Order: sequence, then structure tokens, then C-alpha cells
Amino acid sequence: NAGVTQTPKFRILKIGQSMTLQCTQDMNHNYMYWYRQDPGMGLKLIYYSVGAGITDKGEVPNGYNVSRSTTEDFPLRLELAAPSQTSVYFCASRASGGQGRSPLHFGNGTRLTVT
Amino acid sequence: AQSVTQLGSHVSVSEGALVLLRCNYSSSVPPYLFWYVQYPNQGLQLLLKYTTGATLVKGINGFEAEFKKSETSFHLTKPSAHMSDAAEYFCAVSDRSNFGNEKLTFGTGTRLTIIP
Repeated sequence: NAGVTQTPKFRILKIGQSMTLQCTQDMNHNYMYWYRQDPGMGLKLIYYSVGAGITDKGEVPNGYNVSRSTTEDFPLRLELAAPSQTSVYFCASRASGGQGRSPLHFGNGTRLTVT
Repeated sequence: AQSVTQLGSHVSVSEGALVLLRCNYSSSVPPYLFWYVQYPNQGLQLLLKYTTGATLVKGINGFEAEFKKSETSFHLTKPSAHMSDAAEYFCAVSDRSNFGNEKLTFGTGTRLTIIP
């Protein structure tokens, strides 16, 4: 059981380039999330999805886009990379039933550097 | 809006000593409370959670936390630190619901270092 898988593990982008961070889960979870983690800042929610075809903005969505065409996959798209997007990105998923019943399962992260 | 404060971004304890990581929340209604742990180069994993019932909650690896409503706190403790406990620890809160799409609000994290 792989859980939540993120690719790539590391990436260096030049300013203005675009890329897609991949996230897939094999637990049939409805809820999926993208967070970014910056030193001393904790985790900030970028986008989330409550099921295939449904996405919504989190706290820090600017500069990112997402799609959810299947239950398993939740890719995060950076269209015009900026240095402020240098961060570690985590994908997470959970089953339905609320946070109290169904805690988050995290991937191992993608470390992105924009120069 | 909910918020959570972790006092001390870095905590160092000697191996075998008590571990105490502090977490306070700000919410008009007691929320669900969580502690997550992040080992180097890994994602976060759930350590323990408080939803209802007994206010002293036991988690994995010998950790426990006590929900104190009067102090709006949910401090994490372990009686005797082990080298393998070195990691970053995050306190988190969510709205009290079992049905909706409520989201977690994370604290800024506390990095725990164990001194041999």
C-alpha cells in the first residue's frame, strides 16, 4: 500500500518556467490537499478538493492551479514560477467523515527551488 | 478564525529527560486538536488527536497530550526522550465537525533536538 505518492522529489526551476507537481493516492480518499511548508511558517493550505471534479482555494492559492479529474490524482500546476514559490510542497489526503474521524495522510514532499 | 501558537521553535532535551512541547489555541468553541510529527525528509504523520471524551490522550511512541479547556492548551509530553524522537512537531486545530470539509490550521512547528 503506497499511500500518498508525490513526484518529483526535487526540482529546480528558472523564473517564469512552469511545472506540474504530481500527487496520487491509492486509499480511495475523497479529500485531497496541497500545502506548502516554509521555514518557521508551518504549513499553509494552497488548494483542496472534496472529490473528483471539485476544487477550492485555500489560504495561499495565488500563482497555482489544480485539477481533480480522478479520485486518485490531484496535480498542482505552477504557471509562471517566481522565487517566492521556493518551498517544500506536500500533498495530503483523507477519507470522508471530518478531521476528527479521518486524519490526514501526507506524501513525502517535493522540494522546489526557483532561481 | 482559529489560530494555534507553538511556544519555542527549537527545544533541546537530554536523552532520558522529559519532553514538553507547548501548544495553545484560539477558538471560541473547543476545536479538534492534533499533534503531527515530521521526521527528516518525510511528510507529516499523526501522533495523536483529541476529539471528545478523556482529556488525556495517548499517542504513538510514548507521547501523550492533555486538553485543558481553561488554559486553551494542548501540550505534548513524553516522560523520557529517546534519540529517535528528534523531529519537528506540529500542533494543529480544526473545527469541531465530523461531516464537513473543515480544514486544519497548523502551528509553526517545534524542532526537537535530543542531546546524547
